[in-house]
Amino acid sequence: GGIITQTPKFLIGQEGQKLTLKCQQNFNHDTMYWYRQDSGKGLRLIYYSITENDLQKGDLSEGYDASREKKSSFSLTVTSAQKNEMAVFLCASSILGGIQDTQYFGPGTRLLVL
Amino acid sequence: GDSVTQTEGLVTLTEGLPVMLNCTYQTIYSNPFLFWYVQHLNESPRLLLKSFTDNKRTEHQGFHATLHKSSSSFHLQKSSAQLSDSALYYCALSEGAGGYKVVFGSGTRLLVSP
Repeated sequence: GGIITQTPKFLIGQEGQKLTLKCQQNFNHDTMYWYRQDSGKGLRLIYYSITENDLQKGDLSEGYDASREKKSSFSLTVTSAQKNEMAVFLCASSILGGIQDTQYFGPGTRLLVL
Repeated sequence: GDSVTQTEGLVTLTEGLPVMLNCTYQTIYSNPFLFWYVQHLNESPRLLLKSFTDNKRTEHQGFHATLHKSSSSFHLQKSSAQLSDSALYYCALSEGAGGYKVVFGSGTRLLVSP
């Protein structure tokens, strides 16, 4: 088994601030994902990475940057936080990212922008 | 692009009644992989079941679903709802070409009451 950890659990920021969320996995999975979860909108893909130093944009990448420095870690940066923004960011990983592969999710980071 | 449509919003049921959560999808690929993920309160999403085979029933933890390519559907069912089934349920589709990306529906919240 393995585990995905996300830091911080809660993040409160100011409008215009650059904010960084971190994700670590010890599954030794190749592919990692960042999703944004908003009520009634499901899970929307922000970025994914199929291997170390690879980055692929998802449907919601505008306003975000990502970094995959090593196989086990995947960071997401909100480049300029929007006032009154409130969302949960979920990190996930899968063994290879193949069509049949299960995604394993972390506990999430809850963002609130004042 | 690919899309997934689920029963909207909230479904409320009395314990013991059958559960049916609808999921239909659109894709240009002839061999999609369909998933149901479940997210209980204050937890992260986890896989409930998945399928690739047309017209074959897939079961797990009392839930079942059958992929019907003719109607592009993958509805989630259970014969008798339990209080512990209260959760957010996501239907998801894995894109055929190159894998990696999974498209999630907007989620259906199931609330089971005594």
